[in-house]
Amino acid sequence: NAGVTQTPKFQVLKTGQSMTLQCAQDMNHNSMYWYRQDPGMGLRLIYYSASEGTTDKGEVPNGYNVSRLNKREFSLRLESAAPSQTSVYFCASSGGTGGSGYEQYFGPGTRLTVT
Amino acid sequence: AQSVTQLDSQVPVFEEAPVELRCNYSSSVSVYLFWYVQYPNQGLQLLLKYLSGSTLVKGINGFEAEFNKSQTSFHLRKPSVHISDTAEYFCAVISFQKLVFGTGTRLLVSP
Repeated sequence: NAGVTQTPKFQVLKTGQSMTLQCAQDMNHNSMYWYRQDPGMGLRLIYYSASEGTTDKGEVPNGYNVSRLNKREFSLRLESAAPSQTSVYFCASSGGTGGSGYEQYFGPGTRLTVT
Repeated sequence: AQSVTQLDSQVPVFEEAPVELRCNYSSSVSVYLFWYVQYPNQGLQLLLKYLSGSTLVKGINGFEAEFNKSQTSFHLRKPSVHISDTAEYFCAVISFQKLVFGTGTRLLVSP
């Protein structure tokens, strides 16, 4: 049981390049999330998917797209990377019922640098 | 919308001393609150959560938090810290069915 996995762990891009961050969970969770973490700003939600086949914008969606490929996988795409997208990206998932359903499980993160 | 405020960006403390990390939330009729810990170069891990019931919540690694409705606070405490507790701690609240995080408090434990 791996929980939430993310690939790659590290990436360096040049401005204008594109890339896709991959995320998968094996906990049969319905909801999945993408966050970015920047110093002094905590975690900010980029996009989320409440269930397979649905995606919604979070707090900072500009410059990103997502795909909920199936129940397990949720990818984040940067079409044209900018230095402002240098950050650590975390994927998370949640499931279950009642209040515990809001508890999120996090992946190890992807450190992205855009030069 | 719900939000949380962590007033202390950094808290230095000596090993074996007690510590309190402060978190205040915006008021609401009902609230779900969480504390997460992030060790260096790792993802976030749940420490504890308040959903309902007892206002004193015990979590992993000897941490506990008290839900105080009148003061809209959910402060995290540990009676005696270890070097290994050095990490960043995030308070979070549910708002419109999504987690909203505070800006984090870095706990620095020195010998």
